[in-house]
Amino acid sequence: DAGVIQSPRHEVTEMGQEVTLRCKPISGHNSLFWYRQTMMRGLELLIYFNNNVPIDDSGMPEDRFSAKMPNASFSTLKIQPSEPRDSAVYFCASRSPQGGSIGTQYFGPGTRLLVL
Amino acid sequence: DAKTTQPTSMDCAEGRAANLPCNHSTISGNEYVYWYRQIHSQGPQYIIHGLKNNETNEMASLIITEDRKSSTLILPHATLRDTAVYYCIVDGWDDKIIFGKGTRLHILP
Repeated sequence: DAGVIQSPRHEVTEMGQEVTLRCKPISGHNSLFWYRQTMMRGLELLIYFNNNVPIDDSGMPEDRFSAKMPNASFSTLKIQPSEPRDSAVYFCASRSPQGGSIGTQYFGPGTRLLVL
Repeated sequence: DAKTTQPTSMDCAEGRAANLPCNHSTISGNEYVYWYRQIHSQGPQYIIHGLKNNETNEMASLIITEDRKSSTLILPHATLRDTAVYYCIVDGWDDKIIFGKGTRLHILP
């Protein structure tokens, strides 16, 4: 198994540009999570999906951020327009279905975003 | 989700056991204790989890007190590759896990 795959691994863009981050979860996993990590705020949950349906997006910072999961094997996190304060490492994680809410999350390698 | 309290940092000599404490005094009966770690520049990695009983796997052991208000992660023979930030998390039934600041573990040669 290749694990959770994220692309691109690094992204440098200019303020105002649209940024799209991509994630392929582990096959068979039915939950997908997007996190953001900065030195100041640590690791923050942005949004998560169960069975491709967004369940909780309360962590999404503002309307410039949007996430989709069109099918079980693909998700995107989009920032439009991007701002320098969006610079961070963005992680995607997936989890297999288990009883209740219990399950191990498997993280991807992250996308390092720098907005100039 | 219940909150957890961990020391900011710890040192451990290479080859010795590393014991990382975590307080979760407001944990409820159906919440599990999970441990993850994050090695520099990598995504967090699952280590172990438990509910009431002590647990052991190939990476570590988890000791949970009888009242479940605290736990200890034990790395039996720490190596330099165990240098990382270790997160203690309480996972409930709402699918969300909240990462705190964790403990930065330094393994000293």
